[in-house]
Amino acid sequence: DVKVTQSSRYLVKRTGEKVFLECVQDMDHENMFWYRQDPGLGLRLIYFSYDVKMKEKGDIPEGYSVSREKKERFSLILESASTNQTSMYLCASSLNGPQETQYFGPGTRLLVL
Amino acid sequence: EDQVTQSPEALRLQEGESSSLNCSYTVSGLRGLFWYRQDPGKGPEFLFTLYSAGEEKEKERLKATLTKKESFLHITAPKPEDSATYLCAVQARYTDKLIFGTGTRLQVFP
Repeated sequence: DVKVTQSSRYLVKRTGEKVFLECVQDMDHENMFWYRQDPGLGLRLIYFSYDVKMKEKGDIPEGYSVSREKKERFSLILESASTNQTSMYLCASSLNGPQETQYFGPGTRLLVL
Repeated sequence: EDQVTQSPEALRLQEGESSSLNCSYTVSGLRGLFWYRQDPGKGPEFLFTLYSAGEEKEKERLKATLTKKESFLHITAPKPEDSATYLCAVQARYTDKLIFGTGTRLQVFP
């Protein structure tokens, strides 16, 4: 079974704080993804990574950065949290190849006050 | 522009009342269409991948079908435990990115 885990289920932070969200997968997947999910907007891709130390911007990268120092771990960083970053954050991973399924973690619900 | 539209937004069914969820898409070359189930407060759970028009896949009470413009998720004799949001996503050729619809929220009442 593919397992994707996220460091926190719920997180409450203050405006301006630096926030780290961590994601770990145990299936040796090359690709890892960070999404945010908001009511009425669906899942939107923030950043993704094809390999260690590689990263690509998704559709909404502003205000976020990522780090992938090891194959199994992909971190999302909010440099200075703002209230409009309150959201559900979802990590996913997949093998590198055509038609490979993305498997998701349980999500982190972040509230920025 | 690649796009996914799901309908209806919400669906209420009586237990045993079969129905279908729709996912319409426009994409520059379909690499795959994915169905996920998402329970409240949890991450999406993979259900099916469809690759070409005419393909069908089944799992318990769920059956997914694909045409060149849309996919249907048929739910036969649903049970209350089928209540969830069902998400559709497409993957275009030459990319690993998924484009998601906003989902259909299904409620099945006993």
